[in-house]
Amino acid sequence: DQQVKQNSPSLSVQEGRISILNCDYTNSMFDYFLWYKKYPAEGPTFLISISSIKDKNEDGRFTVFLNKSAKHLSLHIVPSQPGDSAVYFCAASTSTGNQFYFGTGTSLTVIP
Amino acid sequence: GAVVSQHPSRVICKSGTSVKIECRSLDFQATTMFWYRQFPKQSLMLMATSNEGSKATYEQGVEKDKFLINHASLTLSTLTVTSAHPEDSSFYICSALGSWETQYFGPGTRLLVL
Repeated sequence: DQQVKQNSPSLSVQEGRISILNCDYTNSMFDYFLWYKKYPAEGPTFLISISSIKDKNEDGRFTVFLNKSAKHLSLHIVPSQPGDSAVYFCAASTSTGNQFYFGTGTSLTVIP
Repeated sequence: GAVVSQHPSRVICKSGTSVKIECRSLDFQATTMFWYRQFPKQSLMLMATSNEGSKATYEQGVEKDKFLINHASLTLSTLTVTSAHPEDSSFYICSALGSWETQYFGPGTRLLVL
């Protein structure tokens, strides 16, 4: 079964507003989480990560929040820009880093 | 939910040997699978697109004679790293395209070439 889930396959947001992408996981051993951005015909590009010792990590317009008790993480993009339109994948791994578990992605469309 | 497995999860081999990595879609059929290599900064580089029953499509700069891809069935694609060298050491991830163009990733294979 999928250990990392992104339950919203798509999301549309107006330019300038906040985009919130959600991700849930089931394995409590996961302690490192990543978000990737993917354009068509390209590989996923690393965006931002967070380790389980933190509950928030910020990088410019991108902020990732981790709620360990709920096994939930989210990516906030503010303000959203049309260039942010892409598929976003979340992924999780354990500290050994030997395996990654990806969600199925959320397609974000930012409307100008 | 759809699951994609990779085998082995980790492999250590000597320089000059060949290593085969399997990617399986466990509960769905996938006519299209992708092979990625993870690079520093953790981005995934698309190496090739594997289509069942036909030749793989390789991305520019990827040596098709070195990275042999076979997609012999709707649930299995294999990547063989031939004559592996230390610079081939990396993390290789596959993904399978399911219904509604949803991409399901495998957990990855860590290759270390000594």
